[in-house]
Amino acid sequence: DAGVIQSPRHEVTEMGQEVTLRCKPISGHNSLFWYRQTMMRGLELLIYFNNNVPIDDSGMPEDRFSAKMPNASFSTLKIQPSEPRDSAVYFCASSFFRGATWGNEQFFGPGTRLTVL
Amino acid sequence: DAKTTHPPSMDCAEGRAANLPCNHSTISGNEYVYWYRQIHSQGPQYIIHGLKNNETNEMASLIITEDRKSSTLILPHATLRDTAVYYCIVYNNAGNMLTFGGGTRLMVKP
Repeated sequence: DAGVIQSPRHEVTEMGQEVTLRCKPISGHNSLFWYRQTMMRGLELLIYFNNNVPIDDSGMPEDRFSAKMPNASFSTLKIQPSEPRDSAVYFCASSFFRGATWGNEQFFGPGTRLTVL
Repeated sequence: DAKTTHPPSMDCAEGRAANLPCNHSTISGNEYVYWYRQIHSQGPQYIIHGLKNNETNEMASLIITEDRKSSTLILPHATLRDTAVYYCIVYNNAGNMLTFGGGTRLMVKP
């Protein structure tokens, strides 16, 4: 298995531009998570999906951020318009969620390093 | 979710056991203890988890005290590649959400 795949690995853009980050979860997994990591705030959960449905988006910082999961094998995180304070590493993770049973480990992708100038 | 406290950093000699402590005094009966680590410039990696019994896998051992208020992650023979930030997380499996704290930065030295 290739693991969780994220693209692009690096993105440099200018303030005001639209940014789209992409994620392909591990085949067979039914939960997908988007995290953001910065030096100041550490690793923060932005949103997660279960069976392609957004379950909790309380971590999404503001309306400029949106996430979609049109099918079980693809998700996007979009920032429009982007701002310099959005600069961070964005991780996607997936898991097979069985409910309150043993083994809900999440598998993380390599991340997308976003720089907004 | 119960909060955790842990040392911000630790050193360990290569080849020796690395013992990483974590306090979770407010843990409730249905909350699990999970450990992840993050090697520089990579995504976090799952290590091990447990509820109340000690657990061991190919990566590490997890020792949970009888009152479940603290735990220790043990890397039996630390290597340079084990240098990473280690996160102790307590949460309810049913919630399916992880809250990462500051972690313990482990430095394995030759």
